[in-house]
Amino acid sequence: NAGVTQTPKFQVLKTGQSMTLQCAQDMNHNSMYWYRQDPGMGLRLIYYSASEGTTDKGEVPNGYNVSRLNKREFSLRLESAAPSQTSVYFCASSEAGATNEKLFFGSGTQLSVL
Amino acid sequence: AQSVTQLGSHVSVSEGALVLLRCNYSSSVPPYLFWYVQYPNQGLQLLLKYTSAATLVKGINGFEAEFKKSETSFHLTKPSAHMSDAAEYFCALSPTGRRALTFGSGTRLQVQP
Repeated sequence: NAGVTQTPKFQVLKTGQSMTLQCAQDMNHNSMYWYRQDPGMGLRLIYYSASEGTTDKGEVPNGYNVSRLNKREFSLRLESAAPSQTSVYFCASSEAGATNEKLFFGSGTQLSVL
Repeated sequence: AQSVTQLGSHVSVSEGALVLLRCNYSSSVPPYLFWYVQYPNQGLQLLLKYTSAATLVKGINGFEAEFKKSETSFHLTKPSAHMSDAAEYFCALSPTGRRALTFGSGTRLQVQP
């Protein structure tokens, strides 16, 4: 029962480097999300995918791109990392994306951009 | 815009004492409301959710929350704190017309022996 799996768990980048955060869920969920968590600001939505083949911007999409590769996988890409993107990133999924549904979270990726 | 505000970024209680974590929401229509908990180095887990079926909602680990429309509040309580309750707690709201939750800034609960 893996649930939502994120890789890597930790990453250090230099300004301007690119990287992709991977997320996979094994619960056959339709909807997937990327959040970032910063001290004192809670979790802010970066992008979400209501279903396979669709993606939508959240509150803070600038500097990020996403790909819903298939129903299981939803990746987040930083094309040119900036220090402001230092954060903890969480991937989440839900069964059908209904507004009263439970979200299942991965354990997070701690990213530092120097 | 619909939002949630958590009052108090840090709360400290003694083991066995009442836990009260405050959450107020801003919404023109009754929203769906949630409390999530995050233990150190882990993702968030759902504690409980309000979906208009009942104003007093019971969750896991002895927590409960009461929806009060007149006060636009959804405070989280537990009668007796346990050391294992030490974590960060997030109130969240499901905005109308959006399919993703809006989270509050979080409250870190410390439990003293």
